[in-house]
Amino acid sequence: QVQLQESGPGLVKPSETLSLTCTVSGGSVSSSSYYWSWIRQPPGKGLEWIAYSFYSGSTNYNPSLKSRVTISVDTSNNQFSLKLSSVTAADTAVYYCARVGYSGYEVDSWGQGTLVTVSS
Amino acid sequence: QSVLTQPPSVSGAPGQRVTISCTGSSSNIGAGYDVHWYQQLPGTAPKLLIYGNSNRPSGVPDRFSGSKSGTSASLAITGLQAEDEADYYCQSYDSRMSGYVFGTGTKVTVL
Repeated sequence: QVQLQESGPGLVKPSETLSLTCTVSGGSVSSSSYYWSWIRQPPGKGLEWIAYSFYSGSTNYNPSLKSRVTISVDTSNNQFSLKLSSVTAADTAVYYCARVGYSGYEVDSWGQGTLVTVSS
Repeated sequence: QSVLTQPPSVSGAPGQRVTISCTGSSSNIGAGYDVHWYQQLPGTAPKLLIYGNSNRPSGVPDRFSGSKSGTSASLAITGLQAEDEADYYCQSYDSRMSGYVFGTGTKVTVL
């Protein structure tokens, strides 16, 4: 079955850019059946979708984050990435990469999550 | 920012039945988009529990069931067990956001 693994710095300074990569194994990011997505969860709070992308490059962003977010899919390395600019303490969260069903938008596979703390 | 509203907490004794509601609007559940449910055990990633309103992925016990009506959906847990103590989230697509949204989350406590 598909497995997803997040990687990237666990500590980012305020005003800098958060960058994370998700490596997919047991499945292909080039599949036409799925979107590839990032979701975050601040400590003790609920889930928030950040962005999702189709392998073709078609993307959708949460309107509340759209001005600061970029998602991209790298089919050659079977990975996808997230960049979130101008971070503040409010961006401190566990960041999950995930696979989302193309027709129903169900999140059927999740990475284990990585805690990113924004602090100087 | 959640557009799907859930009760913060529900509780029940072992063996009892509990239900969790998920209230949306005409731009998400009421527009006919599917509702999905997730279980998040402490310190772990969420897990898909119900998809397409009422379908269980392989391996999910039939004690869990989902339904949808109008602008709302519900998750029912029958024969509550200690291992069911977790946070539960509903999720659907929202046309106003052009993306999927999660519910506010419900903590289930087994008394």
